[in-house]
Amino acid sequence: ETGVTQSPTHLIKTRGQQVTLRCSSQSGHNTVSWYQQALGQGPQFIFQYYREEENGRGNFPPRFSGLQFPNYSSELNVNALELDDSALYLCASRPGGAPNTGELFFGEGSRLTVL
Amino acid sequence: DQQVKQNSPSLSVQEGRISILNCDYTNSMFDYFLWYKKYPAEGPTFLISISSIKDKNEDGRFTVFLNKSAKHLSLHIVPSQPGDSAVYFCAGGGSSGSARQLTFGSGTQLTVLP
Repeated sequence: ETGVTQSPTHLIKTRGQQVTLRCSSQSGHNTVSWYQQALGQGPQFIFQYYREEENGRGNFPPRFSGLQFPNYSSELNVNALELDDSALYLCASRPGGAPNTGELFFGEGSRLTVL
Repeated sequence: DQQVKQNSPSLSVQEGRISILNCDYTNSMFDYFLWYKKYPAEGPTFLISISSIKDKNEDGRFTVFLNKSAKHLSLHIVPSQPGDSAVYFCAGGGSSGSARQLTFGSGTQLTVLP
């Protein structure tokens, strides 16, 4: 069974640029969510996708957008990068359909640095 | 508005002793609470959970206690082992409204000294 994988693991961008982060969910999981973890903070919910549709969003501006593909992999796109976007971005998956117990399976994250 | 708070950023415990990590919450809509453990350069991994209708859940060395009236939960690790050294996050979640997605605390760095 393959776990959640994310790419790239590290990247550096400059202010104003755009970035795309990718995630392959765990086998059999059709629900994917993205979290931002700033230094010294806990993960903060960005949004969730279920069967290719966004079905939940946290308090993040529209320049944070996402996609989920038919194979349940996902992308997080951030436009017009700001210095405060520097963080670890975590992708998490869980099997949809079953009762939501809150148990998520996280990837290792993508560390984004904005200069 | 921090719905989940972990007021101790760090905790050091001697190997073999009990570790107690604390968490407070404000959102009454949480149906369940979870603890996640995170090692450096790894994603958080699920450790243990508790339903809001329970006051205790035990799994091996790990026990979570929930006090709903105080809106407080704690994680007890007995006995503590050096491999338990990690950042521990508590989180709350539910099925409706603002609780629909997991809300995490800021974490507590546990160091178990050999």
